[in-house]
Amino acid sequence: NAGVMQNPRHLVRRRGQEARLRCSPMKGHSHVYWYRQLPEEGLKFMVYLQKENIIDESGMPKERFSAEFPKEGPSILRIQQVVRGDSAAYFCASSPVGAEAFFGQGTRLTVV
Amino acid sequence: AQSVSQHNHHVILSEAASLELGCNYSYGGTVNLFWYVQYPGQHLQLLLKYFSGDPLVKGIKGFEAEFIKSKFSFNLRKPSVQWSDTAEYFCAVSSNTGGFKTIFGAGTRLFVKA
Repeated sequence: NAGVMQNPRHLVRRRGQEARLRCSPMKGHSHVYWYRQLPEEGLKFMVYLQKENIIDESGMPKERFSAEFPKEGPSILRIQQVVRGDSAAYFCASSPVGAEAFFGQGTRLTVV
Repeated sequence: AQSVSQHNHHVILSEAASLELGCNYSYGGTVNLFWYVQYPGQHLQLLLKYFSGDPLVKGIKGFEAEFIKSKFSFNLRKPSVQWSDTAEYFCAVSSNTGGFKTIFGAGTRLFVKA
């Protein structure tokens, strides 16, 4: 059973471009979380999804950010028109309901 | 609002010193409690977890944590730290009232001097 797979590991985007971050949960896990980690800060919750449903997006910025977890395929975190302040490590985690979350290696986004 | 607070942002210890990292949470309902560790340049790994039963939980690498319900606390301890314990430690909580969304504390950076 492969762990949570995130790709790409590193992503460089120019200001104004779009960033797409992918997360494949562990087999059998129906819940996906996205977190952002800024330098010198902790993990900030962004969004919590189940298949085809957004359960809680209270941590997502209102503009430019969106997330999906389709019936087939990985979960996608999409950032439109990136700005320098979006530079961070983005971690995806998956879990079965009510159990601990398993984390991916993260995607380090750098906006130049 | 649901929240998790970790008391110390930075801790510096010498090898063989004892460690205790504080964690308090604000949550309603039944809680599940976790400590994760993030070694430099790596992703988060689970150290230990509490769902129910014995409130004193043993984890990997000699770590343990105690759930004190009356104090809403889940402090992490290790009797004797090693240089290899240098990492960032995150307390996390999920609750059935939160739809099992896992919320993390801000983290504590531990540096162990050799």
